[in-house]
Amino acid sequence: AQRVTQPEKLLSVFKGAPVELKCNYSYSGSPELFWYVQYSRQRLQLLLRHISRESIKGFTADLNKGETSFHLKKPFAQEEDSAMYYCALKNSGYSTLTFGKGTMLLVSP
Amino acid sequence: DGGITQSPKYLFRKEGQNVTLSCEQNLNHDAMYWYRQDPGQGLRLIYYSQIVNDFQKGDIAEGYSVSREKKESFPLTVTSAQKNPTAFYLCASSTEGDTEAFFGQGTRLTVV
Repeated sequence: AQRVTQPEKLLSVFKGAPVELKCNYSYSGSPELFWYVQYSRQRLQLLLRHISRESIKGFTADLNKGETSFHLKKPFAQEEDSAMYYCALKNSGYSTLTFGKGTMLLVSP
Repeated sequence: DGGITQSPKYLFRKEGQNVTLSCEQNLNHDAMYWYRQDPGQGLRLIYYSQIVNDFQKGDIAEGYSVSREKKESFPLTVTSAQKNPTAFYLCASSTEGDTEAFFGQGTRLTVV
């Protein structure tokens, strides 16, 4: 069965510190993975997807098939990065997504 | 203004009553979805529809029903059979073949 695991419910860092939000997945085949973000009082939105290999707002995520991981990283956290982050996996044969339980990132000044 | 609109934002209902949540999109997307978001649970798929007049159950469909009579609309009914209906409900849509989902602002349903 497909599964997405985000082991941390909450990650608290200081401004300027590096950030790594962990995501591990369980999937047989070639996975398609995403990070979604939900800022306070805003709707859930796509942050990045592994296929495009782009960097959005300074965040990057590399797919590691050996470790079945898709961790989200940023070298220097900003206060505006404080939000709820969800890792998601495309379901085989469908356009639906399986989401992890989410990690709340708090960046303090 | 293009996007997905969910209404109402907040909804209160008495236990045992059915309630329908509205979701409308003007993005010309074929696929629409309903997710339930609970603290510490992430998002769980209730129902989805890839085309008009067709829909499939997600992981937690029991106690819910949907219809897809128009491309733009995908209402969700929370029935009295749903044992724990108090939650935040999110509607989303996407184009065929693209899994980037565009989400609505959500409806917070409280059953008392």
